[in-house]
Amino acid sequence: ETGVTQTPRHLVMGMTNKKSLKCEQHLGHNAMYWYKQSAKKPLELMFVYNFKEQTENNSVPSRFSPECPNSSHLFLHLHTLQPEDSALYLCASSQEKDSKAKNIQYFGAGTRLSVL
Amino acid sequence: DAKTTQPNSMESNEEEPVHLPCNHSTISGTDYIHWYRQLPSQGPEYVIHGLTSNVNNRMASLAIAEDRKSSTLILHRATLRDAAVYYCILRGYNNNDMRFGAGTRLTVKP
Repeated sequence: ETGVTQTPRHLVMGMTNKKSLKCEQHLGHNAMYWYKQSAKKPLELMFVYNFKEQTENNSVPSRFSPECPNSSHLFLHLHTLQPEDSALYLCASSQEKDSKAKNIQYFGAGTRLSVL
Repeated sequence: DAKTTQPNSMESNEEEPVHLPCNHSTISGTDYIHWYRQLPSQGPEYVIHGLTSNVNNRMASLAIAEDRKSSTLILHRATLRDAAVYYCILRGYNNNDMRFGAGTRLTVKP
């Protein structure tokens, strides 16, 4: 148990569906992240939230829409996805300090998404 | 951005030490060296990190070369539970982006 909980663990959706992924951290951290892990590709950072404000968006298509209502919760809203968006979506959190170089990120187990 | 190079895979026998190498010849003076691992069907898990000196914790040891162009993660006694993909990552002062790379897939034989 890492203190970061993601739901659902598995999700199958059609290309016209709208769904949301949820992440909750119980560690009192002030930063949260979304990553994408496709088959045979390295993890890719998608979004970063720091104190509920989005501080990074790594050129992610608009069909992925993040939401961070408070420091403990992070959502990823999905709409009109493509089959190539099928992947493991991972959430992480960390306690931001003066230097990001020493920050440790704690990951959830991920949501395995299949887009049909 | 500084990048790391790791072997694609390594094998170890249970209860033997494992040395996982990482090359990072373009590391900058302020980059920290982090190691994470990802067990099957789980998210990545922090293992250890360091800057210049060797580091020890309950999971592993990190040996950093004097010129900092390479490092080695040491698992002192591998168990079956240590079978995972191990990632060596450089983190800069203001860098949110952890570049995971392909990592090293460690297989532990009973």
